[in-house]
Parts: sequence; C-alpha cells; structure tokens
Amino acid sequence: EAEVAQSPRYKITEKSQAVAFWCDPISGHATLYWYRQILGQGPELLVQFQDESVVDDSQLPKDRFSAERLKGVDSTLKIQPAELGDSAMYLCASSPTGVLYEQYFGPGTRLTVT
Amino acid sequence: QQQVKQSPQSLIVQKGGISIINCAYENTAFDYFPWYQQFPGKGPALLIAIRPDVSEKKEGRFTISFNKSAKQFSLHIMDSQPGDSATYFCAARSGANNLFFGTGTRLTVIP
Repeated sequence: EAEVAQSPRYKITEKSQAVAFWCDPISGHATLYWYRQILGQGPELLVQFQDESVVDDSQLPKDRFSAERLKGVDSTLKIQPAELGDSAMYLCASSPTGVLYEQYFGPGTRLTVT
Repeated sequence: QQQVKQSPQSLIVQKGGISIINCAYENTAFDYFPWYQQFPGKGPALLIAIRPDVSEKKEGRFTISFNKSAKQFSLHIMDSQPGDSATYFCAARSGANNLFFGTGTRLTVIP
C-alpha cells in the first residue's frame, strides 16, 4: 500500500539554527499539506499545495517558515531560525486528485528545539 | 479559537465495552466530518467519515452519529478491543479541503 514518506523521523536542533523536513506524497496525489501537531493537540494546517502552487499558507509563520514544492511532487518545509516553541510533530499529508476529502498522513517528523 | 471541540480528553473502557467520543462545531460551512486514529509515533489514519446529509454511518465496529441541528457528532466504538487503544481525533472540513481537528481523545481499552 502506497504511503506518504517523510524524513527525517526525528530531529534535534538548537534554537536559532535552520532545519528542513522533506515529504514525498503518495504517487499521483496533486494536493499536499503540511501540518504542525503540538503534543496533546490536534494537527493544525500550515500550508496546502495544489501541484506546485500554494493554495493556503495563511497559518504559516512566514517570518521563519517557508515551504516549496518545486516540481509538484515532493516538498520541503524549512524553519530558520528555529525557536523553542517550534518543538512539535510536523506532519505531511496528501490527497488524491478528485477526492479532495481523504487526506493520507505520513509518519511525521518529531522536532525538538533545545 | 478552537473550531472543533472534542471530549473527553481521555477515556478508559473495559474490553468489550462501548467507547463514545463527542465533538461539537459552530461553523455551518463545514461539509465533511472525518475521524482519525493515531498510534504513538505514527501519523493520523483516516478511520471513518460522514457528510452532514447523513445522520449515521457504520463501518464494522465504528459508527458515527451526526446531529446537524445540534452541530454535534460522535464516534462509537462497539466491542472495544485493546488494539483500539490510541488517540482519536475528530475533524471538520471547510473551504479548499482544510481540515480543522479537535484536541484528541486518548482511549485506553483494558483487558
């Protein structure tokens, strides 16, 4: 069964450092999402892509976060500089074209900022 | 502001019992209500979902009950098993497939 791939699975970084996460959606899924999940809470959408275009990045802290999906396939989420409050699970999800409702999540990247 | 309110925060059920998790929302523009199951260290997995034009949906031991007028929906897990122990999230969809998640319910099924 096809899955959303994410790497790394765990990342520890010091505050003020740069960090990047990678996501490879299920093959053929045009829509890709990045979520942040703080421990004990539900995921919150950071950014949504349709192919290579950003559909919604209203909740993305643009002063330090950036996301790209240059060829409309895999995607990278970057934080620079990282802050202590960025410690969370970063989840990537994708949706198949034409079935927008079903979002399939990857295993996530657990970020710890020290 | 929490768009979807979920309760209880945690739930302990005996094996074979019924687990019930409740969610409420305010935004009448929501048009799709999925439930996700998340095991530690894993991403959420879609469990079951319902549209607001249906009052109930059942898939195996999992049932969603939906009350449009009260803007509430719930997940019922019948014959709960230890393998069901996980965190459950309700969610609601609005706009361009944006999902708003509840805060989660940690379910523990004891043998």
